[in-house]
Amino acid sequence: GIQVEQSPPDLILQEGANSTLRCNFSDSVNNLQWFHQNPWGQLINLFYIPSGTKQNGRLSATTVATERYSLLYISSSQTTDSGVYFCAVTGNQFYFGTGTSLTVIP
Amino acid sequence: NAGVTQTPKFRVLKTGQSMTLLCAQDMNHEYMYWYRQDPGMGLRLIHYSVGEGTTAKGEVPDGYNVSRLKKQNFLLGLESAAPSQTSVYFCASSYPYSIRSYEQYFGPGTRLTVT
Repeated sequence: GIQVEQSPPDLILQEGANSTLRCNFSDSVNNLQWFHQNPWGQLINLFYIPSGTKQNGRLSATTVATERYSLLYISSSQTTDSGVYFCAVTGNQFYFGTGTSLTVIP
Repeated sequence: NAGVTQTPKFRVLKTGQSMTLLCAQDMNHEYMYWYRQDPGMGLRLIHYSVGEGTTAKGEVPDGYNVSRLKKQNFLLGLESAAPSQTSVYFCASSYPYSIRSYEQYFGPGTRLTVT
């Protein structure tokens, strides 16, 4: 299967700070999604981004498929951004990374 | 739309008992999936279905069976539960933008404990 590595594994931010989360994958992929798992366990779609750049409010994502990585940018972080961020990719099945655990402190 | 729903939300089983988890979606999605999530890990695919009446094995299928008799429902069965199956189970569905492009939507999860 495809190996998916996310970094950093843990991140603590002061409210208002910016951050970049990275997702590396080991093979070419047809799909890539970023999810936020909130402290209640719910998985929330952030971006469907197999290539290119997308922005949604304070969040944006860029995937460079030819170099096998994707980046998630969080600007002006808020305490509600806390949780675990996963990227998931497909070749013929979906493969999840182990996530980046983000804690935003007031 | 309710999106993707899962029943039950919580369950405690004894070793050797059986149960069925139900996933339902009202988005007319073709594809459906069952995952498990263990502490500190990402999600791992158990089984999936690309259409009514079809199922396929994922990364960790042993000890589980599935059925997709109706397009909107995907059932996950545990015939003889084991403590190693203690986990949070997520169902997802996806709409294919094209034959290779699809975006997943997840249900709220079922927390299963096997004692």
